[in-house]
Amino acid sequence: ETGVTQTPRHLVMGMTNKKSLKCEQHLGHNAMYWYKQSAKKPLELMFVYSLEERVENNSVPSRFSPECPNSSHLFLHLHTLQPEDSALYLCASSQDPLGGYNEQFFGPGTRLTVL
Amino acid sequence: GQNIDQPTEMTATEGAIVQINCTYQTSGFNGLFWYQQHAGEAPTFLSYNVLDGLEEKGRFSSFLSRSKGYSYLLLKELQMKDSASYLCAVADSNYQLIWGAGTKLIIKP
Repeated sequence: ETGVTQTPRHLVMGMTNKKSLKCEQHLGHNAMYWYKQSAKKPLELMFVYSLEERVENNSVPSRFSPECPNSSHLFLHLHTLQPEDSALYLCASSQDPLGGYNEQFFGPGTRLTVL
Repeated sequence: GQNIDQPTEMTATEGAIVQINCTYQTSGFNGLFWYQQHAGEAPTFLSYNVLDGLEEKGRFSSFLSRSKGYSYLLLKELQMKDSASYLCAVADSNYQLIWGAGTKLIIKP
């Protein structure tokens, strides 16, 4: 595997379900990100982890819970979601979240539908 | 507040040139990125500008004017595979990326 991978690619869940999204980066980067992408809207940064420490939490509802067990893996745990949470969830990684040129590498995303 | 503006959609003809504009208002500036995103795929990095001027990379060029809060992405010799969304993003004073909503580029034969 190379780059940034995400599983599952598609997920349909009811509002009472609990599910988790998984992201893995094979680039040796120190920072990982979760984004939400809705149609015709800017990417919304949800969480940033640097060296497994959460450094950014952009007022995300508590029904989204991130976990970063090591610098290569990132999870997004989902529970009691709402239909408006349906979107594409993108994971990204970069060498460092701070300081100058900082290209982010994205995974293919998980298309989430909440019924 | 912080804001990135870019056109929602543009149409161009195969073989032609197209310019996608991006204007920004952010708290601080640590560089501007352009990403390309094909439908159903991950965004991929195209360019990074932190100083004023034009950066050329093959058929793609990116321009920045920090005093005007303005950038553009220039695509030459358009190919059908260039049909995609183009995302503009600015790194603010905290190096957090602020994203535009993207410009969907449609290439017609």
